[in-house]
Amino acid sequence: AQKITQTQPGMFVQEKEAVTLDCTYDTSDPSYGLFWYKQPSSGEMIFLIYQGSYDQQNATEGRYSLNFQKARKSANLVISASQLGDSAMYFCAMREGNLGQGAQKLVFGQGTRLTINP
Amino acid sequence: DTAVSQTPKYLVTQMGNDKSIKCEQNLGHDTMYWYKQDSKKFLKIMFSYNNKELIINETVPNRFSPKSPDKAHLNLHINSLELGDSAVYFCASSQGRAHTDTQYFGPGTRLTVL
Repeated sequence: AQKITQTQPGMFVQEKEAVTLDCTYDTSDPSYGLFWYKQPSSGEMIFLIYQGSYDQQNATEGRYSLNFQKARKSANLVISASQLGDSAMYFCAMREGNLGQGAQKLVFGQGTRLTINP
Repeated sequence: DTAVSQTPKYLVTQMGNDKSIKCEQNLGHDTMYWYKQDSKKFLKIMFSYNNKELIINETVPNRFSPKSPDKAHLNLHINSLELGDSAVYFCASSQGRAHTDTQYFGPGTRLTVL
C-alpha cells in the first residue's frame, strides 16, 4: 500500500510566487518523521526540511516551511518567493518507528516536478 | 569536503558483467544506506548498515551484495548485471541515533546496462 502520496506530478509557478507541494502519508505508528528532498536536474538529492510527529510547531528552514496537519496526515511543503533555481523534482518521504534499530528506512512519494517560470 | 561521495558517477556495462559502486562518508555517521531510483524517479531502499552490521535488507535479488569494511564505507557489488538493473543508485548516511536522523545522500551513480 502506498504510504506517501504526492498527487501533483507537475507544477508550474511564476517566479516570486509562493508554491505549495502536497504530501499525504499513511501510518499507524505514533512516532514518525517526515522529510522533503529536492532533486535538481543535476541529479543529487538535497535535504530541505524535517518534521517530527511529536513536534508542536511547523518546521521552517529559510524560504521552506512545512504545513503539518497531523489529523489529516498531510505534510505540505511551502516555498515562499520562488526562484528560478527552485525548478526541480521534490520528494516527500516518511521514516517510521523509533531509532532503536539504528537504521530507519525512508519511504518516498512519487515526486512533484516543479517548474518556475520567469 | 564532500560529505557523501560515490564512485563512479556513471557506469555503462554489458549484461552479465559484474560491477561495484563505492560509497564513502566523512560525516562521522554510524548508518549507511543504498537506494535505487528507477526510470520513473521512484526511490526505494535496498540496504542499510549500522556500524558495519546489516540492518535492512529489502527484497533485493541476491546478485546485489553490499559490503561495509568500516562504518565510513559501504560498497555495492552487483553480479550478472541485467537490463532491469539500469537505474541511479544513491548512497546515503545518517547518525542513526539523533531524533531527526536526517539521511544525507551522495551524488548518485547512473548505471546503464546494455
